[in-house]
Amino acid sequence: EIVLTQSPGTLSLSPGERATLSCRASQSVSSSYLAWYQQKPGQAPRLLIYGASSRATGIPDRFSGSGSGTDFTLTITRLEPEDFAVYYCQQYVNSPPLTFGGGTKVEIK
Amino acid sequence: EVQLVESGGGLVQPGRSLRLSCAASGFTFDDYGMHWVRQAPGKGLEWVSGISWNSGNIDYADSVKGRFTISRDNAKNSLYLQMNSLRTEDTALYYCAKAAGPIYYHYGMDVWGQGTTVTVSS
Repeated sequence: EIVLTQSPGTLSLSPGERATLSCRASQSVSSSYLAWYQQKPGQAPRLLIYGASSRATGIPDRFSGSGSGTDFTLTITRLEPEDFAVYYCQQYVNSPPLTFGGGTKVEIK
Repeated sequence: EVQLVESGGGLVQPGRSLRLSCAASGFTFDDYGMHWVRQAPGKGLEWVSGISWNSGNIDYADSVKGRFTISRDNAKNSLYLQMNSLRTEDTALYYCAKAAGPIYYHYGMDVWGQGTTVTVSS
């Protein structure tokens, strides 16, 4: 099983600042098979990034994904008020199981 | 509009069964793999099960293997999760999610329902 470790657990930032979220895998993940999701309170998750760096439909370009092997990053260049949420990475290389990271909460400082 | 609507959740005693349903609309259901993902109260996301477009590939998380059964009816645009021998640790919000391709792995989950709550308690 591929274990994904996200850091930090919580990121306290102000609107307009840059957010950098990390996702580290216990073994190499083909970058084609790494996704990022955003979840706001009371809402279902939303796909942001797939294939490590491709934005899903309708996702603003302030969101970007990068990385390869075991280290992946989600960057939000300028935080908007609606970006404060929990972010999860997920690998879908093989199954079972598909695995999610534990999440990073981006909160308003 | 692409939409997934889950139903069937509720309060159930440990050891009992429950069947969840997910109604899909707005896309060609039988072109895509599907998933069940759950989220315990205040916790993160946990993949439960996946099924390919033609039911040819099915897998489960170890935590539910042997107790849960995923299935789909492409004629009815519906996904199901039969949950037997329920445990208190199965208490969660259960989401139905669409894979972005015909098999459930190798693709992200690009459409999610709003979830249905399952509470296992005596």
